[in-house]
Amino acid sequence: AQSVTQPDIHITVSEGASLELRCNYSYGATPYLFWYVQSPGQGLQLLLKYFSGDTLVQGIKGFEAEFKRSQSSFNLRKPSVHWSDAAEYFCAVGASDSWGKLQFGAGTQVVVTP
Amino acid sequence: ETGVTQTPRHLVMGMTNKKSLKCEQHLGHNAMYWYKQSAKKPLELMFVYSLEERVENNSVPSRFSPECPNSSHLFLHLHTLQPEDSALYLCASSQEGTGNTGELFFGEGSRLTVL
Repeated sequence: AQSVTQPDIHITVSEGASLELRCNYSYGATPYLFWYVQSPGQGLQLLLKYFSGDTLVQGIKGFEAEFKRSQSSFNLRKPSVHWSDAAEYFCAVGASDSWGKLQFGAGTQVVVTP
Repeated sequence: ETGVTQTPRHLVMGMTNKKSLKCEQHLGHNAMYWYKQSAKKPLELMFVYSLEERVENNSVPSRFSPECPNSSHLFLHLHTLQPEDSALYLCASSQEGTGNTGELFFGEGSRLTVL
């Protein structure tokens, strides 16, 4: 069965600093990988996704993520965070036959300080 | 309206009440989902509907009863809930089939409080 681990429950970063959120997955075949963001009181919004091809994927809001098969990781990065990036971030894994039944990580809460 | 719309956004109910959550998707998708989001826990998949047929029920108690009258609408009927059922209930939709990748589009959620 597929699973996702987000090791960091909470990260505090200064505005303008870089951000990296970790995600490790467990899946037998090539997974479909996603990063979602959730602002307070809101639903989840897709930041980016990886299915195949180039292992570095670009997303919205200046985010990018790199798929590393050897490390079973799909870490999310942003070179310079903005105060509006304060939110909770979820990594998720799916498969071609999963019918959207994504397995989500527990989430990483990001706090941005002035 | 666009995307996935959920109503009500907030609901407070007693344990003996009957209420319903509504979800509507305007994306032309063929699959809809209910997820439960509790504090400090990963999102839990509750129900999956594909082409209006329920294809998965993840051992959800019978006090939660889903209904999918057509591909654009999904309901979650609530009856005799417990305080531990208090959570954010998220509806999502996706386009399933060959060549599609199961990306989920979420609504903003219905915050349920059971007293």
